[in-house]
Amino acid sequence: DAKTTQPNSMESNEEEPVHLPCNHSTISGTDYIHWYRQLPSQGPEYVIHGLTSNVNNRMASLAIAEDRKSSTLILHRATLRDAAVYYCILRADQTGANNLFFGTGTRLTVIP
Amino acid sequence: GAVVSQHPSWVICKSGTSVKIECRSLDFQATTMFWYRQFPKQSLMLMATSNEGSKATYEQGVEKDKFLINHASLTLSTLTVTSAHPEDSSFYICSATTYYNSPLHFGNGTRLTVT
Repeated sequence: DAKTTQPNSMESNEEEPVHLPCNHSTISGTDYIHWYRQLPSQGPEYVIHGLTSNVNNRMASLAIAEDRKSSTLILHRATLRDAAVYYCILRADQTGANNLFFGTGTRLTVIP
Repeated sequence: GAVVSQHPSWVICKSGTSVKIECRSLDFQATTMFWYRQFPKQSLMLMATSNEGSKATYEQGVEKDKFLINHASLTLSTLTVTSAHPEDSSFYICSATTYYNSPLHFGNGTRLTVT
């Protein structure tokens, strides 16, 4: 099963960078690495995704290890609005089993 | 950006009744929609995968006769909780997407309370 493991929680000071790790040692060659975040009582929000190369967008950066068995979501300057549960998931072919398994995620607390 | 609308945002129903939840992709055509359930302080649990025009694929342990999924068009999928019981009370979330290398776009969820 292509699953991910993340630390249960992390803390960051406001305006400091945050590195959220994710292990996915059983990733297959065609699995995309996706990151989403969820605020209480809301649906998850897309953050970023990638396959092999590092990716940047206006929200975050995604650093993918060369062997693809781990990745790191980087928030360059944490704000209070970034406090959420962050999920790292693998997205395989649409017909694949255990597609889109959401692990426990990492609860990020941002300290003012 | 891609928007997914989920309706209703909350519903309270009596035990034994059925409830329908709608999930619409407003500005894109979703070839695939997913339905999740989330209990308090827990992660999302995938219930089923729905492709337009075909029968939904249910995850192990999810009763297909209890959670009816219809994906009649590229912009609409519905989840009907039939004969709801208090243990069905949960936060139900849908997501929609196009190709498998595309992001998932989530609705804002429906909080179902069965009394």
